[in-house]
Amino acid sequence: AQKVTQAQTEISVVEKEDVTLDCVYETRDTTYYLFWYKQPPSGELVFLIRRNSFDEQNEISGRYSWNFQKSTSSFNFTITASQVVDSAVYFCALNHRNTPLVFGKGTRLSVIA
Amino acid sequence: GAVVSQHPSRVICKSGTSVKIECRSLDFQATTMFWYRQFPKKSLMLMATSNEGSKATYEQGVEKDKFLINHASLTLSTLTVTSAHPEDSSFYICSVPVVGSNQPQHFGDGTRLSIL
Repeated sequence: AQKVTQAQTEISVVEKEDVTLDCVYETRDTTYYLFWYKQPPSGELVFLIRRNSFDEQNEISGRYSWNFQKSTSSFNFTITASQVVDSAVYFCALNHRNTPLVFGKGTRLSVIA
Repeated sequence: GAVVSQHPSRVICKSGTSVKIECRSLDFQATTMFWYRQFPKKSLMLMATSNEGSKATYEQGVEKDKFLINHASLTLSTLTVTSAHPEDSSFYICSVPVVGSNQPQHFGDGTRLSIL
């Protein structure tokens, strides 16, 4: 069975602080995909990144960076110099090929001006 | 532009009403679509897999007679919440799997259902 754990339920930071959102996953598949989505108050899911199990390279996209470590089954997400617009719920998710996504419980990030 | 169109975006109705939610794949043919449900401040949970031309596959605990799914064409799946009650109030969101895309599932914008 697949499982995604986001241990941080809510995080509050002051604007310009860096923040890391943790994600730990479980799967028996050797080929799998990991995702991060942002869900603003309006509700839609905004795709941020996909990483496949064979690619452990870390990725940086502007203020966002992701650290994938298979040894610890973690796929953490860091926002540097956070902004108020980053306030949202962030979901880590996992799937195998075209199967449905298994989501973590989400981390609600509040960035205070 | 949007790949998946979901309508309506918001529904408020009385208890006992049946509500139909549409999920359209705009750019891709979709033999499969997924329906998720999200209760307030909770995660997204898969309800069912919609299969074009055949019966939907429901997750454990989801009442198939309560949540009717129809996938009559390669671009449209509908979810009907029959005789809705306040406990059915939730955020419903569909997704379309897309092969060969960096974003392998495209999500609709969701439907916020409120039953009074």
